[in-house]
Amino acid sequence: QSVLTQPPSVSGAPGQRVTISCTGSSSNIGADFDVHWYQQLPGAAPKILIHGNINRPSGVPDRFSASKSGTSASLAITGLQTEDEADYYCQSYDNSLSGSVFGGGTKLIVL
Amino acid sequence: QVQLQESGPGLVKPLETLSLTCSISDASIGSYFWSWIRQPPGKGLEWIGYIYYTGSTNYNPSLKSRVTMSVDASKKQFSLKLTSMTAADTAVYYCAAFGGWNTWFDPWGQGTLVTVSS
Repeated sequence: QSVLTQPPSVSGAPGQRVTISCTGSSSNIGADFDVHWYQQLPGAAPKILIHGNINRPSGVPDRFSASKSGTSASLAITGLQTEDEADYYCQSYDNSLSGSVFGGGTKLIVL
Repeated sequence: QVQLQESGPGLVKPLETLSLTCSISDASIGSYFWSWIRQPPGKGLEWIGYIYYTGSTNYNPSLKSRVTMSVDASKKQFSLKLTSMTAADTAVYYCAAFGGWNTWFDPWGQGTLVTVSS
């Protein structure tokens, strides 16, 4: 059972928009700790996609965006492409555990 | 660009101790906190802990009793020891650079699969 809750899977057709939610609690996201998002392509290590709630590292397409509100955060992907098919993870800090926590991951299926 | 490379045995017997090392390239060892994260086959990510070059550590409470991390600045390496291994510890183990308690992991090593089996 992950501290941060994500849907197991989401799907969309090429060109569509999908969102992935990440729900936490008052000891992590709700305590105003930052949320970060990772993309894990099949067989590869996770790679940072969004850091500090909304910031895209250099090289990440602007089709990827994220937001945070209250005890939740959300990753949005517009103009879906087949190469976006991957697992996506959110991560934050939890002050009751005094450490980093991850969501359970969401598999994005591009139909 | 920081590069990380894990090394260690791919197979560990039950109840034995896992020892992994992560080698750091193109970065000063004092530039980051250094972390270990694992991923059981087909499952999600679990933060194991991190160490600073001073030797200061922070471990996941669920693993704290079995984890020891160390750093060798002269070799630009940091290490993980996990005792009393069981099948539940079978996972891909990643090392990663980490900016500190409210930051993110970047970059990651390629990961190394550790299987616990007799």
